[in-house]
Amino acid sequence: NAGVTQTPKFQVLKTGQSMTLQCAQDMNHNSMYWYRQDPGMGLRLIYYSASEGTTDKGEVPNGYNVSRLNKREFSLRLESAAPSQTSVYFCASTRDRARTEAFFGQGTRLTVV
Amino acid sequence: QQQVKQSPQSLIVQKGGIPIINCAYENTAFDYFPWYQQFPGKGPALLIAIRPDVSEKKEGRFTISFNKSAKQFSLHIMDSQPGDSATYFCAASMGNQFYFGTGTSLTVIP
Repeated sequence: NAGVTQTPKFQVLKTGQSMTLQCAQDMNHNSMYWYRQDPGMGLRLIYYSASEGTTDKGEVPNGYNVSRLNKREFSLRLESAAPSQTSVYFCASTRDRARTEAFFGQGTRLTVV
Repeated sequence: QQQVKQSPQSLIVQKGGIPIINCAYENTAFDYFPWYQQFPGKGPALLIAIRPDVSEKKEGRFTISFNKSAKQFSLHIMDSQPGDSATYFCAASMGNQFYFGTGTSLTVIP
């Protein structure tokens, strides 16, 4: 099993450009998450989807939008990228909300210049 | 504010030593406390987890100690090896959200 797959792995954007980060899981999990990881700040939740058809804001949602396309796929969109969005982005999934093991993708390293 | 406070930020031990990483929380509604291990360029992976109805859990060389009254929990790595060099994150969760600590970078010197 592939687990959680993120694309792309690396991306450089110019300020103001838009892009979508893709995430897919093949474990039939109900819940999916997007985090950003910055040095010294741990993992901060951007958005999550507790189940198919629902999405909710996390700790740092400003500048982002998400779509839970189906049970497998959860995408993150930056409409107008800013240098402050330079980070490593991780997608994760769990079988049952935040009460069970979270499986993470390999991450997307995004640089906004 | 940081829901889960983790210390130290970095730790260097000799092979065979016992590094200890500490975490503290305030919200007594948290009901699941996992530890994640992350190697450079990889996503975090679950190492060990505990629920608040037990005070200790051991899996191989890794042990979680949990003190519900003090609202603290810690990770102990017995007989540490160079391959344990990684970043470790504690977390606490309730409902739909995990809250992660800021991470501890562990280096085990051969």
